[in-house]
Amino acid sequence: QQQVKQSPQSLIVQKGGISIINCAYENTAFDYFPWYQQFPGKGPALLIAIRPDVSEKKEGRFTISFNKSAKQFSLHIMDSQPGDSATYFCAANAYSGAGSYQLTFGKGTKLSVIP
Amino acid sequence: NAGVMQNPRHLVRRRGQEARLRCSPMKGHSHVYWYRQLPEEGLKFMVYLQKENIIDESGMPKERFSAEFPKEGPSILRIQQVVRGDSAAYFCASSTKAGSTTDTQYFGPGTRLTVL
Repeated sequence: QQQVKQSPQSLIVQKGGISIINCAYENTAFDYFPWYQQFPGKGPALLIAIRPDVSEKKEGRFTISFNKSAKQFSLHIMDSQPGDSATYFCAANAYSGAGSYQLTFGKGTKLSVIP
Repeated sequence: NAGVMQNPRHLVRRRGQEARLRCSPMKGHSHVYWYRQLPEEGLKFMVYLQKENIIDESGMPKERFSAEFPKEGPSILRIQQVVRGDSAAYFCASSTKAGSTTDTQYFGPGTRLTVL
């Protein structure tokens, strides 16, 4: 059962354009929503994160929009650059009840930014 | 200022052999997490450990898989009698603490396990 649904699976954007990746969740126990960026052969790296009491968070060219009532959140990459080409994962964090917080990841979006 | 280190980066095993994956957390981090990533899938939580303690192994398969984080040395994820379905990338992450939902987990580069 996939708890965090991510779309699209792949995305091609022209340099300078806006990249938008969407995620949806069902579990209302999730209380922290990070996005990770992963380059080929590397581990995921935290990009930006948001708590559900905030509707938007911006860091440089990266913005998270969060809609608590719809249980959806999205990543916007403004002025997309070829160096942004990577796989992006949304995630959601919740206390597992077994002694830890567990991150649940979406399946990922492969972003290609073409010159 | 080394990050999370994992070795080997690539591991090939034949069916029935054992695989040992090692993870050295970032300096000052005493909390370690293991995740598995199947092709075209997101990462899936396996186990969370502190030094000498398994705290949460709710994501670990019941058989053949075990993990440890000894007082000295790296954390080890051990897979006995590997099968082809174990082929995946295994990532380790570490954090300074685990008492808050916002504690950042820092990921290593992963070990790509291939079972022939």
